[in-house]
Amino acid sequence: QVQLVESGGGVVQPGGSLRLSCAASGFTFSNYGMQWVRQAPGKRLEWVTFIRYDGSVKSYAGSVEGRFTISRDNSKSTLYLQMNSLTAEDTALYYCARVRGSGWFDYWGQGTLVTVSS
Amino acid sequence: EIVLTQSPGTLSLSPGERATLSCRASQTVTSSYLAWYQQKPGQAPRLLIYGASNRATGIPDRFSGSGSGTDFTLTISRLEPEDFAVYYCQEYGSSPPVTFGQGTRLEIK
Repeated sequence: QVQLVESGGGVVQPGGSLRLSCAASGFTFSNYGMQWVRQAPGKRLEWVTFIRYDGSVKSYAGSVEGRFTISRDNSKSTLYLQMNSLTAEDTALYYCARVRGSGWFDYWGQGTLVTVSS
Repeated sequence: EIVLTQSPGTLSLSPGERATLSCRASQTVTSSYLAWYQQKPGQAPRLLIYGASNRATGIPDRFSGSGSGTDFTLTISRLEPEDFAVYYCQEYGSSPPVTFGQGTRLEIK
């Protein structure tokens, strides 16, 4: 069955960096676009970034543009999110999700928590 | 960027009742590219509906979606105890960016 498992979250100081990973299994990873979505405590879901199935197209939310970089390694069925210059506003549970059709998300991981605090 | 507004913020109903959740877009949603998700505490969101009215795999037929243009509705015909959760709508026709509504909390009365 389809599984998405995020890792790499933790506590980081403002201005610091983290790299999140999302290990995919149960499907042909290289055939699907992928996204990161985050959710601050008690808040709504917020889309962060998208990458096309082959990595050729990437897009970012304005709030993370220039600080976050999405990438993927199709040989390892793994999605990444490099996060730099972190601020308290980046504190959230980060989910990876598989994209279907024109852009809905049919499978989600359980999330990895990022806390930015001094 | 399309803004999605969900109403009501909280809906209090009893098992067996019918639930009607609304999602209104600030602009026309292209080709009814609207999805609905259910999220329970401590869990990831679960896809319920895509394309405004198509049930995702494994979703019970008591869940239905409707609407077009700027007004969309998620209906749960007869509430089961496991249906009490937070529901989000998502627009993906104009992505990027993808946008989500602020959520409707469905609670037991």
